[in-house]
Amino acid sequence: SQKIEQNSEALNIQEGKTATLTCNYTNYSPAYLQWYRQDPGRGPVFLLLIRENEKEKRKERLKVTFDTTLKQSLFHITASQPADSATYLCAPSGSGNTPLVFGKGTRLSVIA
Amino acid sequence: DVKVTQSSRYLVKRTGEKVFLECVQDMDHENMFWYRQDPGLGLRLIYFSYDVKMKEKGDIPEGYSVSREKKERFSLILESASTNQTSMYLCASSLSPTGANVLTFGAGSRLTVL
Repeated sequence: SQKIEQNSEALNIQEGKTATLTCNYTNYSPAYLQWYRQDPGRGPVFLLLIRENEKEKRKERLKVTFDTTLKQSLFHITASQPADSATYLCAPSGSGNTPLVFGKGTRLSVIA
Repeated sequence: DVKVTQSSRYLVKRTGEKVFLECVQDMDHENMFWYRQDPGLGLRLIYFSYDVKMKEKGDIPEGYSVSREKKERFSLILESASTNQTSMYLCASSLSPTGANVLTFGAGSRLTVL
């Protein structure tokens, strides 16, 4: 069966450092990999999508990589700030009408 | 911006009650989804719909039903609420049946069943 693993349940880093979150998947051949942010008590919010033929995607301080050989995506936040503290969810997805399945998320805490 | 609105942020119900969770989206999205989220278990798909009057079971449909009479509205129904249905319920919608299924979520409905 399909399995999605996010490297750790919680990650603490110092303000200004780069946070790196990992998403590994098995028994999947996703065409896309999506990342979402979720604040406590709120619904997830879409951040970035990367396609299988893209190695890297950037948006402001965010960078996502997608290695289909390793079956892994890395999500980086550079110059992290306390406001980046949240849970980050990854979701490999196929094309067409396949419902998203999410990893359990990594709770990031950026300490001032 | 697409908005997905869930009718209730917090509900408290008693065991055996029938519970309706309403979700409305305002951007003509084809697809709508209901997930529940529990600590340690992540987001789990209950039901989804790709068209009016159409529904498909997700991973955990037992104890739930859904209704999609209009394109913009997707209702989740707990026929007889039980304590193990205490959870955060999240509705989401997405535009296209092709390409990536990027979801827009509502704010969530936190249900407590006593």
